[in-house]
Amino acid sequence: GQNIDQPTEMTATEGAIVQINCTYQTSGFNGLFWYQQHAGEAPTFLSYNVLDGLEEKGRFSSFLSRSKGYSYLLLKELQMKDSASYLCAGMNSGYALNFGKGTSLLVTP
Amino acid sequence: GAVVSQHPSWVICKSGTSVKIECRSLDFQATTMFWYRQFPKQSLMLMATSNEGSKATYEQGVEKDKFLINHASLTLSTLTVTSAHPEDSSFYICSAPGGESTGANVLTFGAGSRLTVL
Repeated sequence: GQNIDQPTEMTATEGAIVQINCTYQTSGFNGLFWYQQHAGEAPTFLSYNVLDGLEEKGRFSSFLSRSKGYSYLLLKELQMKDSASYLCAGMNSGYALNFGKGTSLLVTP
Repeated sequence: GAVVSQHPSWVICKSGTSVKIECRSLDFQATTMFWYRQFPKQSLMLMATSNEGSKATYEQGVEKDKFLINHASLTLSTLTVTSAHPEDSSFYICSAPGGESTGANVLTFGAGSRLTVL
């Protein structure tokens, strides 16, 4: 199985940068994924890492260190619409995602 | 891009009735689909893996006789909640891997189905 741990809540200011950390333990690993979920909606894919290092996609970047079982999602130039829950998920050997409890991000003016 | 269509979006039913939720991959084929359940303010919990042409694989603690899964074609999986009870009220979301625009490993989620059992 997989244990995914991430902070419950974070608050940041519009225009700032925020880093959401995630640690994981897994017996089978096919990548570490980040999804965004607004209340009452389905998750939408943001980024993923299979190999160590940084993946950059516009305002969103994700980093992975497999040896440390650690990942982070970096959000730049925060906008009010970025207020949402950010889900860290590990993909197991069967290609299913096991999600953490999510980090609720509040962006303030 | 890869699109997964799920319906109904929301359903209200009486206790003891059965409810069917459909999940379709619109522009790609999915031999595997995943069904998740999410209770309010909690994370998504994997219920089962739906396999085209064979039996679904259920996660520990999920009753296979209560949550019937059928994956009859490469684009359609259905989840039937049988003899639903109020504790089954939840947000059910399906997902499928693949689609050329997203990459084979990336799961695309349906919009979810909110079930309320009275």
